[in-house]
Amino acid sequence: TQLLEQSPQFLSIQEGENLTVYCNSSSVFSSLQWYRQEPGEGPVLLVTVVTGGEVKKLKRLTFQFGDARKDSSLHITAAQPGDTGLYLCAGSDNYGQNFVFGPGTRLSVLP
Amino acid sequence: GAVVSQHPSRVICKSGTSVKIECRSLDFQATTMFWYRQFPKQSLMLMATSNEGSKATYEQGVEKDKFLINHASLTLSTLTVTSAHPEDSSFYICSATSGTGFNEQFFGPGTRLTVL
Repeated sequence: TQLLEQSPQFLSIQEGENLTVYCNSSSVFSSLQWYRQEPGEGPVLLVTVVTGGEVKKLKRLTFQFGDARKDSSLHITAAQPGDTGLYLCAGSDNYGQNFVFGPGTRLSVLP
Repeated sequence: GAVVSQHPSRVICKSGTSVKIECRSLDFQATTMFWYRQFPKQSLMLMATSNEGSKATYEQGVEKDKFLINHASLTLSTLTVTSAHPEDSSFYICSATSGTGFNEQFFGPGTRLTVL
C-alpha cells in the first residue's frame, strides 16, 4: 500500500516569512500533484511534477520532485495571508492509477 | 479548462431522507470520477471510484447501499446518500480525471450536507 506523509501538519507564520512543506513516501510515483484547498471549497491543482529532480515555479511557489520520485517539497517565498489554506500532495502510479493523498499541511499566514 | 461543478453546494435535510449530489465535468470527458468525504480540519477521505458505465469501487468501510454512486455518462456522476442520519453530515467533494496528459484529478467545489 502506498502512503504519503506530509510535514509539518500545521504551520503558522507571519506575513513575509519563507516556508517549506514536505511530502514523503517509501513508494515511487509516476507523477505527483500539489493542491491548495481553502475552507469550504474544493482543492485546486497547483502543479504536477513527473520527472525526478524536476523543479517548477509558480510565482512565489517552488515545487521540487525528488530524484527518486518518492518525495516532493513546496517552498513559499515571502508568504502572504492569501497563501493560507490546506496544502495536499497526491501521488499516482502508472499515470493516474491508484491515487494517494497525503494528510495535508494546514498553513496559516498572519498579517 | 478542466472545470468540475457540483450541485447543490449546500443542502440541509431531515434525518431519514435521501439526498442526491451531482458532479459534472464541464469541459472535458471524465473517464473516472472520485467521491471524497472531508471532516472539519481533516484531509480528504476517498469513498469510491467510478468509471462511466460500470459499478463503482468502494473503499473499505464505505457502505455501498448507503452511498449510491451512478456514473451514467462521461460528464456526470451522482452520489445519493440514502436514509441520511446526522452522522452523515459532512463536506462531500467529487473529482474527475480525463485520462489524458498526466491524468490529474480536478475537483468540484464541494457540497456541504447537514442532516438534522
